[in-house]
Amino acid sequence: KQEVTQIPAALSVPEGENLVLNCSFTDSAIYNLQWFRQDPGKGLTSLLLIQSSQREQTSGRLNASLDKSSGRSTLYIAASQPGDSATYLCAVKGSQGNLIFGKGTKLSVKP
Amino acid sequence: EAQVTQNPRYLITVTGKKLTVTCSQNMNHEYMSWYRQDPGLGLRQIYYSMNVEVTDKGDVPEGYKVSRKEKRNFPLILESPSPNQTSLYFCASSALASGYVGELFFGEGSRLTVL
Repeated sequence: KQEVTQIPAALSVPEGENLVLNCSFTDSAIYNLQWFRQDPGKGLTSLLLIQSSQREQTSGRLNASLDKSSGRSTLYIAASQPGDSATYLCAVKGSQGNLIFGKGTKLSVKP
Repeated sequence: EAQVTQNPRYLITVTGKKLTVTCSQNMNHEYMSWYRQDPGLGLRQIYYSMNVEVTDKGDVPEGYKVSRKEKRNFPLILESPSPNQTSLYFCASSALASGYVGELFFGEGSRLTVL
């Protein structure tokens, strides 16, 4: 059964730092992996979607990489800002249409 | 504006009283899905639908029903709610590309409390 783990569970950094969030999964037979952002009391906002055939995707200050063979993905955030404070979740789509989420990394960027 | 709309956003009910949480999307997406989010457990999939009249169980389907009679709507039905169904519920939709689920769009969530 697919399991998705995100480490660390929480992270606090000063403004301006570059940072990396990690996501690992146990079954490499995935169709895609998606990174989301969730603000308190809000729904999830899609950040980046990486298909299984891709190695990385970029959007502005965000870069997500995927290494299927090792079961890992990273989300790189450049020049972090207080507005980046949120919980970041990764989710992998398996072969049966189901989507498995990690428990998220709660990021706090201090001014 | 492209969106996924859930109603109600907040609901307090009592054990055993049937309720329905509606979900509607205006993006003509084939794929729709329901999740619940609980502290320490993260987001877990309840049911999903790949198209009209096609539904499948996710990881935690017990106590829930769904239907997909129209492409835009995917209601979640709790026939006899119990306190362990107190949770934050999210609906999501996505277009299918070559049969694969693409980028997911989420609703704002429905916070349900069962007394």
